[in-house]
Amino acid sequence: QQPVQSPQAVILREGEDAVINCSSSKALYSVHWYRQKHGEAPVFLMILLKGGEQKGHDKISASFNEKKQQSSLYLTASQLSYSGTYFCGTERVNRDDKIIFGKGTRLHILP
Amino acid sequence: DTAVSQTPKYLVTQMGNDKSIKCEQNLGHDTMYWYKQDSKKFLKIMFSYNNKELIINETVPNRFSPKSPDKAHLNLHINSLELGDSAVYFCASSQDMGPNYGYTFGSGTRLTVV
Repeated sequence: QQPVQSPQAVILREGEDAVINCSSSKALYSVHWYRQKHGEAPVFLMILLKGGEQKGHDKISASFNEKKQQSSLYLTASQLSYSGTYFCGTERVNRDDKIIFGKGTRLHILP
Repeated sequence: DTAVSQTPKYLVTQMGNDKSIKCEQNLGHDTMYWYKQDSKKFLKIMFSYNNKELIINETVPNRFSPKSPDKAHLNLHINSLELGDSAVYFCASSQDMGPNYGYTFGSGTRLTVV
């Protein structure tokens, strides 16, 4: 039931690109993406809804492949401020009012 | 103004004690949640309330009891604390209508049971 995120951890140099994947074995209604910095609360990045879509703001975007129950988060030209742990959260099509989070992907950006 | 505020931020207590964590949101959201984040950073839902009504009650020991006096407040009371209860507890809220109902998290309460 818990979505699977990959990779578990990524180390990049500033300016490089990263892709974080999230997949579920269940049919999904929505996929959420959050970033959590050390010692802080998770912060909402974006949500993608059933119907398959892409979203983005600034240099962070995401896609949702409804047929495969997969979502990917794309970080382009990464900045130091992108460091943190990224969580995807999935909501099933039965809209059971809860988001189940993956185990997170730790992203570390080096100068 | 803080959107979702939790108190206390840190809580250190002995095994067997009873403690409460308070949460308040000023966003006008209808739904509030409690999540537990363990030492491996796994975020696990515990409870969800919608307009003061309990919606989700995951497999959580009944030592944990949520209370929602109104839709802006969701408190968590824990009886007979155990070592395994040590974790960061996050309160969150969402407006569950509309396409952008992301969760807004509080800053967390780090509970340490000794």
